[in-house]
Amino acid sequence: KQEVTQIPAALSVPEGENLVLNCSFTDSAIYNLQWFRQDPGKGLTSLLLIQSSQREQTSGRLNASLDKSSGRSTLYIAASQPGDSATYLCAFNDYKLSFGAGTTVTVRA
Amino acid sequence: GAVVSQHPSWVICKSGTSVKIECRSLDFQATTMFWYRQFPKKSLMLMATSNEGSKATYEQGVEKDKFLINHASLTLSTLTVTSAHPEDSSFYICSAADRGVAGANVLTFGAGSRLTVL
Repeated sequence: KQEVTQIPAALSVPEGENLVLNCSFTDSAIYNLQWFRQDPGKGLTSLLLIQSSQREQTSGRLNASLDKSSGRSTLYIAASQPGDSATYLCAFNDYKLSFGAGTTVTVRA
Repeated sequence: GAVVSQHPSWVICKSGTSVKIECRSLDFQATTMFWYRQFPKKSLMLMATSNEGSKATYEQGVEKDKFLINHASLTLSTLTVTSAHPEDSSFYICSAADRGVAGANVLTFGAGSRLTVL
């Protein structure tokens, strides 16, 4: 069974600082990796999807990398803004999604 | 893009009653839908895999008689929480894969349904 770990569990940074969120997994046999954002009491918003054959994906200020050999994925958020405050979840898809517990980010104005 | 609609978005019910949550794929057909449950400040837990036209596959520890899943069409799956109790209060999220997309391993999520059982 895929085990997914997200570190840190919580992160607080001043506005403008770059964010680095880490995700590690135990089984490299994956179809793809997704990063999601969840606002309190809300559903999931998909941020980035990296296929198994890819190493990274970028969207605006967001960049996600995937290193299957080391079992890691990293989400970078450049020049953070207060609106980036949310919980970020990574999930590995080996047909069924396995989620990490998330990293709760607070960006201070 | 693919859209999954969940209804209701929130529901409050009395203990002992049953509640049905619908998950619809609005612009694509979904052979398979997944139901997740999220406890406060915890990650999502896969409850079951819903397959169109057949019985759902439940994860270990999930009571199939408590959480009834029906996937009667390619665009609709329902989760019924039967004889709900306060411990069933949670956030339930569904997701679906677009069968029309090659290598359909990209899941689209509904907005979730918050159930509160009094």
